[in-house]
Amino acid sequence: AQSVTQLGSHVSVSEGALVLLRCNYSSSVPPYLFWYVQYPNQGLQLLLKYTSAATLVKGINGFEAEFKKSETSFHLTKPSAHMSDAAEYFCAVINAGGTSYGKLTFGQGTILTVHP
Amino acid sequence: DARVTQTPRHKVTEMGQEVTMRCQPILGHNTVFWYRQTMMQGLELLAYFRNRAPLDDSGMPKDRFSAEMPDATLATLKIQPSEPRDSAVYFCASGLVGSPPDTQYFGPGTRLTVL
Repeated sequence: AQSVTQLGSHVSVSEGALVLLRCNYSSSVPPYLFWYVQYPNQGLQLLLKYTSAATLVKGINGFEAEFKKSETSFHLTKPSAHMSDAAEYFCAVINAGGTSYGKLTFGQGTILTVHP
Repeated sequence: DARVTQTPRHKVTEMGQEVTMRCQPILGHNTVFWYRQTMMQGLELLAYFRNRAPLDDSGMPKDRFSAEMPDATLATLKIQPSEPRDSAVYFCASGLVGSPPDTQYFGPGTRLTVL
């Protein structure tokens, strides 16, 4: 079974500081990985996805993530945090085989707080 | 700009009443998912359909929840009778699941409060 683990349920940074949200995956097959963002009282919005092409994936709003097979990681980064980045972020892996083909498995979420 | 739409956005009801939530997936998507989000449990997959056929509803309480897809443009999630513990935000998502499986696009959610 595939799974993802997000390290840290809450991350707090200052405006202008580096954002690093951690995600580790477990998968017996090459994974397809996603980062979603959820702003208060809204649905989940796709930030970026990894589908076995380039290991460094660029997404919206200046975010990027790097797939590292040796570390089974897919951490999300942004060089300089903005107040508008405050939200909850979810890492997810999609099932690419078997009867659960196409199902997403989400991490527990990380709430990002940005201080002025 | 294609989007998943959900109605109603908010629903307040009393315990024992029937609740129906509706979802219009993005045109051309072949898979529809229903999720529930609560503070305690996070995001839970309730059920999903591919080409309108139910594939997995193991996440749903069978005695009170039902999900259907009467046509390609409408998915419904029904709770009868509703209970206070059903209070949550219910999300619908749709995707084009081919090879490889593609992105799921989420609707804005229905916030359900059962008194």
